[in-house]
Amino acid sequence: DAGITQSPRHKVTETGTPVTLRCHQTENHRYMYWYRQDPGHGLRLIHYSYGVKDTDKGEVSDGYSVSRSKTEDFLLTLESATSSQTSVYFCAISDDQGQNYTFGSGTRLTVV
Amino acid sequence: SQQGEEDPQALSIQEGENATMNCSYKTSINNLQWYRQNSGRGLVHLILIRSNEREKHSGRLRVTLDTSKKSSSLLITASRAADTASYFCATSGATNKLIFGTGTLLAVQP
Repeated sequence: DAGITQSPRHKVTETGTPVTLRCHQTENHRYMYWYRQDPGHGLRLIHYSYGVKDTDKGEVSDGYSVSRSKTEDFLLTLESATSSQTSVYFCAISDDQGQNYTFGSGTRLTVV
Repeated sequence: SQQGEEDPQALSIQEGENATMNCSYKTSINNLQWYRQNSGRGLVHLILIRSNEREKHSGRLRVTLDTSKKSSSLLITASRAADTASYFCATSGATNKLIFGTGTLLAVQP
């Protein structure tokens, strides 16, 4: 999607290893979000950020941490990956009014 | 827990028919949005309706919002095979967090 990119697009990792997913935006939006999508659950919010170094937890934040050192980058880290974290991860950005959201193309993470 | 619950979970119709999906949510909102997701792809924003609006149209889409019942519906008229996708409602409140429902899987048979 224009203005937002996620990397990597696919990753396979072993249980217990740390993993970092990157979200990069070129829209200069304050708000950035990380979601995970699993069958039967739709998208669930993991963490979000409302500015550089300003982050907060979502509904499924256990086992995840985030960092936002620059406006354009929002990193999601799995400290010690578990099989339950196998999922598709989406990053999103929005304007300050919470009306215009743009989603990235997703990262498919498999923990074996 | 999810903010929104969608009904039905799956819907199969013939091309040319109308498709209606419903969404219920739990807390007060600033706006409600509908998204489409094709299999294995990202989400595409369809339409946004603000909490002070009751109905909105965009092409073949019609969205209604009833804040007293905390519910919304999405109507797709004259459906096409290309409309086959999952549809999600999502609500945005005071913190700007977008909270999604569980989705409706729509299959349009040619």
